[in-house]
Amino acid sequence: GAGVSQTPSNKVTEKGKYVELRCDPISGHTALYWYRQSLGQGPEFLIYFQGTGAADDSGLPNDRFFAVRPEGSVSTLKIQRTERGDSAVYLCASSLIGTSRQGNEQFFGPGTRLTVL
Amino acid sequence: DAKTTQPNSMESNEEEPVHLPCNHSTISGTDYIHWYRQLPSQGPEYVIHGLTSNVNNRMASLAIAEDRKSSTLILHRATLRDAAVYYCILRRSGGSNYKLTFGKGTLLTVNP
Repeated sequence: GAGVSQTPSNKVTEKGKYVELRCDPISGHTALYWYRQSLGQGPEFLIYFQGTGAADDSGLPNDRFFAVRPEGSVSTLKIQRTERGDSAVYLCASSLIGTSRQGNEQFFGPGTRLTVL
Repeated sequence: DAKTTQPNSMESNEEEPVHLPCNHSTISGTDYIHWYRQLPSQGPEYVIHGLTSNVNNRMASLAIAEDRKSSTLILHRATLRDAAVYYCILRRSGGSNYKLTFGKGTLLTVNP
């Protein structure tokens, strides 16, 4: 079956521009996550959706970052007034449910590489 | 959250076993030990997890120390495709365990 897909795979933009990154989770997965990975580092949590609502957005670095998931499936990460420091790989993951006793397996997409010039 | 410590890098030869260590001396009784790996230019993928007992699946084995302060991911016969960054992650039972907290992981190089 189809895994998590992310588009675009690469995005180059200029400082100050607005970008949108899209994530298509695995069908039927109610939980969706965004992570950001800088070069040489492990992924860092940004935001977690359970259904349509953002249950935890504590990882978003500032108010230039926003994410939506209006119908509980596809999600869009939006970055306003991009800065060079936003350059990173943005990873999306989904899981069947969010919280469970053992911790649910998360399925990751290939990521979107964002470069801000 | 309890921290994990892993070596920055390890090297192995193809078709030999690999033992990837992880220290988690401040682990709590309700923390599950999860392993993910990240192949080059891909997102992380789940490998295995456990609580107290050793675990086996088609990808790997997880050996957990009796005091749970350390664990070892075992790849029984490394292949070139196993070259990746391996992350050892603790996840507390329930609560906010939806969040994966990655460290820098161990970069495994597999020599042909």
